[in-house]
Amino acid sequence: DGGITQSPKYLFRKEGQNVTLSCEQNLNHDAMYWYRQDPGQGLRLIYYSQIVNDFQKGDIAEGYSVSREKKESFPLTVTSAQKNPTAFYLCASTRESNQPQHFGDGTRLSIL
Amino acid sequence: AQSVTQLDSHVSVSEGTPVLLRCNYSSSYSPSLFWYVQHPNKGLQLLLKYTSAATLVKGINGFEAEFKKSETSFHLTKPSAHMSDAAEYFCVVSAYTGRRALTFGSGTRLQVQP
Repeated sequence: DGGITQSPKYLFRKEGQNVTLSCEQNLNHDAMYWYRQDPGQGLRLIYYSQIVNDFQKGDIAEGYSVSREKKESFPLTVTSAQKNPTAFYLCASTRESNQPQHFGDGTRLSIL
Repeated sequence: AQSVTQLDSHVSVSEGTPVLLRCNYSSSYSPSLFWYVQHPNKGLQLLLKYTSAATLVKGINGFEAEFKKSETSFHLTKPSAHMSDAAEYFCVVSAYTGRRALTFGSGTRLQVQP
């Protein structure tokens, strides 16, 4: 079955460390997105990519970086500059902007 | 600009009674509207979508929503709640703003009492 795979499911970061969250999709979707979810809040957009080798900042891009070298993959790096990284991170993809997005099962990032 | 307001952060119903989750939106463009459901530590699953066809939209698991342009509302309903409906529900608006991203409401947690 087609879908989005996020890994790992749980991740721990030490002070000053960069960590990378993986997102892979086999839906043949052009657009991919990263969201951050904090307790009691909706999702906030970190970065998005509408096509390979191109990506744009979302509302809360500071302290994060992404790459889009392949259509299927959109990894997110949480850098040491992100001072409050503890959250649930969700990756999504879609074929067209007015169509629903498909979501992975998320990665929960915590600080050691 | 676009925004979504979910009017209740928490709703509690008894099993077998109706469910109403309220959502108001604002958008400068003709929006697409969605309802998603999220179970604990899971991603979001699409319940239903409105994309300017019929104003009454039927979704999965017996849920439906009615688009009312005059009231800028898109409330989610279900005639009879089931224990498995307990989850977080998000109302979402999508409108082309050059960014092609979604705007999420803050969520409504539905609790179903036996």
